Amino acid sequence: NAGVTQTPKFQVLKTGQSMTLQCAQDMNHEYMSWYRQDPGMGLRLIHYSVGAGITDQGEVPNGYNVSRSTTEDFPLRLLSAAPSQTSVYFCASSPGLAGGLYEQYFGPGTRLTVT
Amino acid sequence: SQQGEEDPQALSIQEGENATMNCSYKTSINNLQWYRQNSGRGLVHLILIRSNEREKHSGRLRVTLDTSKKSSSLLITASRAADTASYFCATSFPLMTSYDKVIFGPGTSLSVIP
Repeated sequence: NAGVTQTPKFQVLKTGQSMTLQCAQDMNHEYMSWYRQDPGMGLRLIHYSVGAGITDQGEVPNGYNVSRSTTEDFPLRLLSAAPSQTSVYFCASSPGLAGGLYEQYFGPGTRLTVT
Repeated sequence: SQQGEEDPQALSIQEGENATMNCSYKTSINNLQWYRQNSGRGLVHLILIRSNEREKHSGRLRVTLDTSKKSSSLLITASRAADTASYFCATSFPLMTSYDKVIFGPGTSLSVIP
């Protein structure tokens, strides 16, 4: 199993550009989520999904869109990049519908810089 | 904020010593998890302790949970240089729906000096 994969590993965007961060898992997990990690802030939940076709907002959803058309994939779209979105983005998946009842498996992260 | 807060923010010890990190939170939780993050990598799950458990062991890791004090501690015994990493607690809060919300703290940076 590849586990949770994320692409790209690094990305530089100009303010106003849009892009999609890809996330895929091959463990047939129902629960997937996106976090951003900023220095001294821990991980903050952006969006999450409890199954194909079902998504919901986390703590910091503004400026981001998600969709879940398959169990495997959970892309994160930045609509119009801003310097405040410079961060490291992690995708995670979990086998349970109760996100906290089971451990989460994290991808390696995407380091995004917006200039 | 419902966020867990780790303490200390940074910890430096000699190889072979024990390392203790603490996590405090503000509201009732369903469970608490500890994760490790090596520099430049994703997070790796270490241990989960449910709200009705007081202590849990996994290898050199010992986690305690005191729900009356809303705090948890992670003890790493006989530390090794390879334990150098950031450690995060994640608290799970019940939502109105069938799934929990998981909140991560800012982390403790552990350095183990050979």
